[in-house]
Amino acid sequence: QLQLQESGPGLVKSSETLSLTCTVSGVSISSSYYWGWIRQPPGKGLEWIGSMYHSGSTFKNPSLESRVTLSVDTSKNNLSLKLTSVTAEDAAVYYCARHGYGGNYYEAFDIWGQGTMVTVSS
Amino acid sequence: QSVLTQPPSVSGALGQRVTISCTGSSSNIGAGFDVHWYQQLPGTAPTLLIYGNGNRPSGVPDRFSGSKSGTSASLAISGLQAEDEADYYCQSYDSDLSGYAVFGGGTQLTVL
Repeated sequence: QLQLQESGPGLVKSSETLSLTCTVSGVSISSSYYWGWIRQPPGKGLEWIGSMYHSGSTFKNPSLESRVTLSVDTSKNNLSLKLTSVTAEDAAVYYCARHGYGGNYYEAFDIWGQGTMVTVSS
Repeated sequence: QSVLTQPPSVSGALGQRVTISCTGSSSNIGAGFDVHWYQQLPGTAPTLLIYGNGNRPSGVPDRFSGSKSGTSASLAISGLQAEDEADYYCQSYDSDLSGYAVFGGGTQLTVL
């Protein structure tokens, strides 16, 4: 059964780097899909962070691009997100999600992880 | 400020039909990008409800339907049930923003 599971520290200090991992089970991360990150601040809407293909093709939200690093580890079948210089505005539930079947990037996010809450402390 | 505009809330009585609008522009919905809809039940992750403007994934009741016209899209829910009470988000892509995935601000549906 296809599952995505986010993991990482639930608390990050302001100005430090947030690091999250999304472990994919039930399908190879090298299969023909894009893998994305989306976040949701408490009580607010969804914000796309970025997406990556296993080949390295990457798309990022322009508003976050300078602080975001995406990577894929095919040996561990997971993807990672690093967000530098975090502030209180980065506090959110972070989701990983699959999209872009067959390398067609512009498709729906069809499978989502359960999300992981990240709090930013001062 | 979301790139796609949705009403913050809608409501409807049990059994009624409601629609949720999603308004974009010529660089996203109007540029031909498909619109997708997600349902987010309280305290859970979003799930795909409608893809490619009007297609339902397996398991989604046919009470849910989607359409697109010009620079807007709509989600219709007929025969409202209590379990439909959730937040609904539209999503597309934007050509002005280098393939940026864009979401609407979300609409909270209350079933009366």
